[in-house]
Amino acid sequence: QKEVEQNSGPLSVPEGAIASLNCTYSDRVSQSFFWYRQYSGKSPELIMSIYSNGDKEDGRFTAQLNKASQYVSLLIRDSQPSDSATYLCAVRREYGNKLVFGAGTILRVKS
Amino acid sequence: NAGVTQTPKFRILKIGQSMTLQCTQDMNHNYMYWYRQDPGMGLKLIYYSVGAGITDKGEVPNGYNVSRSTTEDFPLRLELAAPSQTSVYFCASSRQGAINQPQHFGDGTRLSIL
Repeated sequence: QKEVEQNSGPLSVPEGAIASLNCTYSDRVSQSFFWYRQYSGKSPELIMSIYSNGDKEDGRFTAQLNKASQYVSLLIRDSQPSDSATYLCAVRREYGNKLVFGAGTILRVKS
Repeated sequence: NAGVTQTPKFRILKIGQSMTLQCTQDMNHNYMYWYRQDPGMGLKLIYYSVGAGITDKGEVPNGYNVSRSTTEDFPLRLELAAPSQTSVYFCASSRQGAINQPQHFGDGTRLSIL
């Protein structure tokens, strides 16, 4: 079992719809969780971080964390073609600043 | 705001050659990291450093070496390049402290070994 798992996609949604990206992790004592967006040929850029159970909203983005189910998700409301990218889920273990990354989910927003 | 700067951006090496990938950050971050990313894959940690003079292995360290003589610089050395090291290499840095400190990435070095 991979430490951080994501559906590779592609996930296709129409413009204006809600895109839902999911991530599960295996290490129960993981502390904090990050979503990065990576455009083709570019470096990852941070979208959201979350470390408490529940929802965290930032503009069109909402991160959801359920530590009991070891599950973290990213919702993108009013999806735009510019949101088309690979979304990487990253998990920080209990100690240290090392992150473990999932392989990423490709999102395609069709206009 | 330079952030994390990597050089070179692109490089082609022959099998057996050596080279150093440069990484420097101007955010006074204690923690620095080297990752590689193969096509369609996530990021794999090669080496990391928690401060000047302190380095440790990540998930895929074989074939690489690092040093950290200053807070700003964290070069990655390939001694005997092999085709399996063809990849995109990202350097990142983060602040020490709270659990939600994110990592900030450089633009990457695209390396081909032929």
